[in-house]
Amino acid sequence: AQKVTQAQTEISVVEKEDVTLDCVYETRDTTYYLFWYKQPPSGELVFLIRRNSFDEQNEISGRYSWNFQKSTSSFNFTITASQVVDSAVYFCALSEETSGSRLTFGEGTQLTVNP
Amino acid sequence: NAGVTQTPKFQVLKTGQSMTLQCAQDMNHEYMSWYRQDPGMGLRLIHYSVGAGITDQGEVPNGYNVSRSTTEDFPLRLLSAAPSQTSVYFCASSFQGTSGPYNEQFFGPGTRLTVL
Repeated sequence: AQKVTQAQTEISVVEKEDVTLDCVYETRDTTYYLFWYKQPPSGELVFLIRRNSFDEQNEISGRYSWNFQKSTSSFNFTITASQVVDSAVYFCALSEETSGSRLTFGEGTQLTVNP
Repeated sequence: NAGVTQTPKFQVLKTGQSMTLQCAQDMNHEYMSWYRQDPGMGLRLIHYSVGAGITDQGEVPNGYNVSRSTTEDFPLRLLSAAPSQTSVYFCASSFQGTSGPYNEQFFGPGTRLTVL
């Protein structure tokens, strides 16, 4: 069965600090997809990134970067030079090939960026 | 293009009442799903559909029914509301495309349901 663990329930940083959100997953499939979503205080869910299991290249998008390591079953998310607008709940999610589009979410990490 | 819409935004029910949460998308997506979000538990899949006329159960289906008569609509029915169904409900949709059924899911704004 697929499982996603986000061990950090809450993180608090001061603006301009770098912060890394951890995500560890479990799956028996060799083909799977990993996602990150952001949920700001307004409540909507915003897609950030999708990564398939055959692509271990790290990705950078502006201040956001993702580190995918199959050896440790981790897909960590780093925000560089954090800003107050980054304050949100961040979810990591997994979809296995055998389960199609069914997403399994982690519990989420509440990130608070203080001015 | 409205994306994924959900109605109502808020709802208060009494135990035992029934109701339907509405979800619609105008992106011609084949895949639609319902999740519930509870504090500290992330989002959990209730039911999903891979196309009109096809539905299946997710992780927490008990107490909920769905049907998919059109591509656009995917209503969620609470048969007899219980306090344990107090939650925020999200509808989502995605398209299959050339990369298969693993594309990003687009979420609606959510329905906050309270069962007294």
